[in-house]
Amino acid sequence: SQTIHQWPATLVQPVGSPLSLECTVEGTSNPNLYWYRQAAGRGLQLLFYSVGIGQISSEVPQNLSASRPQDRQFILSSKKLLLSDSGFYLCAWSVNGGGEQYFGPGTRLTVT
Amino acid sequence: AQKVTQAQTEISVVEKEDVTLDCVYETRDTTYYLFWYKQPPSGELVFLIRRNSFDEQNEISGRYSWNFQKSTSSFNFTITASQVVDSAVYFCALSGSYNNNDMRFGAGTRLTVKP
Repeated sequence: SQTIHQWPATLVQPVGSPLSLECTVEGTSNPNLYWYRQAAGRGLQLLFYSVGIGQISSEVPQNLSASRPQDRQFILSSKKLLLSDSGFYLCAWSVNGGGEQYFGPGTRLTVT
Repeated sequence: AQKVTQAQTEISVVEKEDVTLDCVYETRDTTYYLFWYKQPPSGELVFLIRRNSFDEQNEISGRYSWNFQKSTSSFNFTITASQVVDSAVYFCALSGSYNNNDMRFGAGTRLTVKP
């Protein structure tokens, strides 16, 4: 069966510090991968998606970036965090054909 | 542009009551997909159901049922005989693409089931 992992689970970082969040998927090949952000009490905002290694599409211009160095690994990064980057970050995977997305446990990021 | 509206921000019911969560969507795509997700206090989104635009059959899964009506662009979710464990935020979502790179979520409805 497929599983998706995210780490860390929680993170507190000062403004201006770098960020690296990791997501890995097991039990499937060539998945579509996604990064979402959920602000407190809000819905989900799609940040990035990837249909293959090295293929990244950005939905929202910001100081975040994403990379997919391996088929089942998706990384969210920032060189300098802003206060507005605080939120709950969720990674998800799906297969093509309008398939549902399956979400990881999320990372709760607080920028101080 | 695609849009999902969940007009009910919060709903509170007493255990064993039935409750319906509303979802209205907008899209110009002729083929699209609708989803419901549950987000318990732990935060992880749990997939509940997917419905294709060309399949208007309603679906029942235990205490859960979904009513898809293209004529009113709605995809409502009913929980029968609610339980405390149903307390969560529920999201409706819409995707019009083959690889789901355009999935749009509603703002969510927070359901509280009181014992």
